[in-house]
Amino acid sequence: ELKVEQNPLFLSMQEGKNYTIYCNYSTTSDRLYWYRQDPGKSLESLFVLLSNGAVKQEGRLMASLDTKARLSTLHITAAVHDLSATYFCAVDQNFNKFYFGSGTKLNVKP
Amino acid sequence: DAGVTQSPTHLIKTRGQQVTLRCSPKSGHDTVSWYQQALGQGPQFIFQYYEEEERQRGNFPDRFSGHQFPNYSSELNVNALLLGDSALYLCASSPAARYYEQYFGPGTRLTVT
Repeated sequence: ELKVEQNPLFLSMQEGKNYTIYCNYSTTSDRLYWYRQDPGKSLESLFVLLSNGAVKQEGRLMASLDTKARLSTLHITAAVHDLSATYFCAVDQNFNKFYFGSGTKLNVKP
Repeated sequence: DAGVTQSPTHLIKTRGQQVTLRCSPKSGHDTVSWYQQALGQGPQFIFQYYEEEERQRGNFPDRFSGHQFPNYSSELNVNALLLGDSALYLCASSPAARYYEQYFGPGTRLTVT
């Protein structure tokens, strides 16, 4: 079964700092997704990466995909408190079945 | 557009009981997927419905079953509830032609006592 691993699982950082969250997966896939979840809330789609080398940016977040390394990164630039949330990566199999990582709980301290 | 809606919001059941959760997909979406998210974990795929049939299934026992109606709405049924079934149940919808455009509903929080 496809496995998706994220690290770190917990990340506490100061406002203004940069950091990267890593997402590794176990079998070949050209499609990777990043979601954000606030406490007690549902999942919000952040990025959809559909090919090797795909890079997408939105505000202080940038996601990239290396399908050969089976690795995606979510880079945070100059973090602000509003980015505090849990971030999940997911990979789909057979175009329909999504497998999620365990999540990275990000806490940005003022 | 109301987006994906789910009902009820919260539910408390006793071990051994049965529960039905409901989902209405986003307008224009014909595919519905269900996920179970235990506290502190990532969502786990339960199954997916398209054209009123179960198209894909995750590693969940037969106690978990579902249905999709002609208007694309869906139900998730869980029989013989166990304490371990306590979780947030998320419904996601997508258009079949663009499966990657998956939108999640607010979820139903199920507590089994």
